Amino acid sequence: GDSVTQTEGLVTLTEGLPVMLNCTYQSTYSPFLFWYVQHLNEAPKLLLKSFTDNKRPEHQGFHATLHKSSSSFHLQKSSAQLSDSALYYCALSDRGSALGRLHFGAGTQLIVIP
Amino acid sequence: DTTVKQNPRYKLARVGKPVNLICSQTMNHDTMYWYQKKPNQAPKLLLFYYDKILNREADTFEKFQSSRPNNSFCSLYIGSAGLEYSAMYLCASSRALEQYFGPGTRLTVL
Repeated sequence: GDSVTQTEGLVTLTEGLPVMLNCTYQSTYSPFLFWYVQHLNEAPKLLLKSFTDNKRPEHQGFHATLHKSSSSFHLQKSSAQLSDSALYYCALSDRGSALGRLHFGAGTQLIVIP
Repeated sequence: DTTVKQNPRYKLARVGKPVNLICSQTMNHDTMYWYQKKPNQAPKLLLFYYDKILNREADTFEKFQSSRPNNSFCSLYIGSAGLEYSAMYLCASSRALEQYFGPGTRLTVL
């Protein structure tokens, strides 16, 4: 079945250092991948998606590249900001599912300190 | 407006009592979802409505009910709450693959 693995439950970084949050997946089909971000007491919001017309998806300084050979969609940013502190979910949508059923990873809590 | 609203934000319930959670969206999305999120676990899809058709996941089939009286509203109903139902419940809606989430309802069962 489809599944998503986020190996880090908690990542603590100093402001200005690069961010990399890991996401690997298993899927029968060729899936769509997403990153969602949830700030404290807010709704999860879509940050990136893997399908953007042949361009590398980027948003708010974050980017991610879908690597089918390694089944990965790691989230990266060159320089962490205090406001990046949040819970990050990687999610997969099976292209075979027209109804957009999402499979989530457990999430990575990112804490950025001064 | 891409807002999905959930009420209440916090809910306290007694074991054995019913619980009803409400979700609404004004984006005219045809699909609405309910997820359960427990600490250190991935959000788990419980059920979803595509238009008026309810789809419940196999392993939660008998534990949760839902209704969708119109396109904008969707409820999640627990007939008899148990301690294991304590969790964050997230509602989402979509027209295509991108899902828009509400802030969640934190349910605590005592």
